[in-house]
Amino acid sequence: DTAVSQTPKYLVTQMGNDKSIKCEQNLGHDTMYWYKQDSKKFLKIMFSYNNKELIINETVPNRFSPKSPDKAHLNLHINSLELGDSAVYFCASSRWGDTQYFGPGTRLTVL
Amino acid sequence: AQTVTQSQPEMSVQEAETVTLSCTYDTSENNYYLFWYKQPPSRQMILVIRQEAYKQQNATENRFSVNFQKAAKSFSLKISDSQLGDTAMYFCAFMKPGAGSYQLTFGKGTKLSVIP
Repeated sequence: DTAVSQTPKYLVTQMGNDKSIKCEQNLGHDTMYWYKQDSKKFLKIMFSYNNKELIINETVPNRFSPKSPDKAHLNLHINSLELGDSAVYFCASSRWGDTQYFGPGTRLTVL
Repeated sequence: AQTVTQSQPEMSVQEAETVTLSCTYDTSENNYYLFWYKQPPSRQMILVIRQEAYKQQNATENRFSVNFQKAAKSFSLKISDSQLGDTAMYFCAFMKPGAGSYQLTFGKGTKLSVIP
């Protein structure tokens, strides 16, 4: 009965590779988000996605792209991975304007 | 842009005692929401409590309560009867209703250790 799930939980990859992180929510929410938590534990919004409207944080490199096949899924695709992309990535979901619920996080390590 | 400040990077408390975590924020908005999230070593982000700015009454959830001072832009979290399971990073977060987005702005967190 997991509310917001992410796969994989851990991802180790080489620089330059392309990878995806999947997120699914079974809460019936209409809005999903991706956050990045850096090595100092600071959390920052990357994207929010509602009814096919994508809001992008201007600081996010265009190597990062969210893809939403339907309202219950928002996947994060990352091209040409760099060392600085190493972080924990959290997916979250909410009803529009309501409390956000987070997935368990994906720890990405770029070697 | 909104900012959220947590001035206590680390705190500790004896089991069964009470501890208060501080949070201040900066905004020109009148309508917004404030949250405390907990992140234990398991890494999961868990909602602790939520406060709507239009509500004067402070939110409470069992052992967790807030002191919301809107004029002072202060939103502190009080944990009563601290338990070992309360050991975690605590993040204060601000959410402003706005066209197209309800993104959370987080503080840098307070690492709380509950000592047996």
